[in-house]
Amino acid sequence: EADIYQTPRYLVIGTGKKITLECSQTMGHDKMYWYQQDPGMELHLIHYSYGVNSTEKGDLSSESTVSRIRTEHFPLTLESARPSHTSQYLCASSRIAGVEQFFGPGTRLTVL
Amino acid sequence: AQSVTQPDIHITVSEGASLELRCNYSYGATPYLFWYVQSPGQGLQLLLKYFSGDTLVQGIKGFEAEFKRSQSSFNLRKPSVHWSDAAEYFCAVGARTGFQKLVFGTGTRLLVSP
Repeated sequence: EADIYQTPRYLVIGTGKKITLECSQTMGHDKMYWYQQDPGMELHLIHYSYGVNSTEKGDLSSESTVSRIRTEHFPLTLESARPSHTSQYLCASSRIAGVEQFFGPGTRLTVL
Repeated sequence: AQSVTQPDIHITVSEGASLELRCNYSYGATPYLFWYVQSPGQGLQLLLKYFSGDTLVQGIKGFEAEFKRSQSSFNLRKPSVHWSDAAEYFCAVGARTGFQKLVFGTGTRLLVSP
């Protein structure tokens, strides 16, 4: 079944640790996105990609980085986690010529 | 710049009653329009979308939305709410040209009372 997956779903980690949030999709979509969402707030685009080897920063400045080595995989990395990074991170994808986005279940990150 | 306004932060509706969630947008032209629903701890699920044509759009779970160009609005409606509809609802707009990123509203939390 075509879908979009995120792991882990929940992560509690100490300050200074390096973390990678995984996102994979089996829909064959070229465009992928990362959003940050604080509780009760709107989604803010932090990274996006048009396809393999393409990554761009979004509207909200973020200390995270992303990579796109394979079409189906779009991981997000924080080199040194801080409490200010505590948030929910949502991954999404869409067709290259489409605007409708499909979302993963999200990763809720807590940095102590 | 594009923006989306959802003026109601919370709405409480009795089960079986009708529902209308408001969405207004600011954009230079007619954008693509979307409603998404988010259950607690989950990602976003697309309820419906407007690209062109009939301004009354039918979606999943019995939801519909009406695009009104003159009011720059895209309000979401449901004739009879079920307890399982309790969730956060997000309106979003997308540009018809360029990168076509989505801009989301701040969301409306729907509470359903017995």
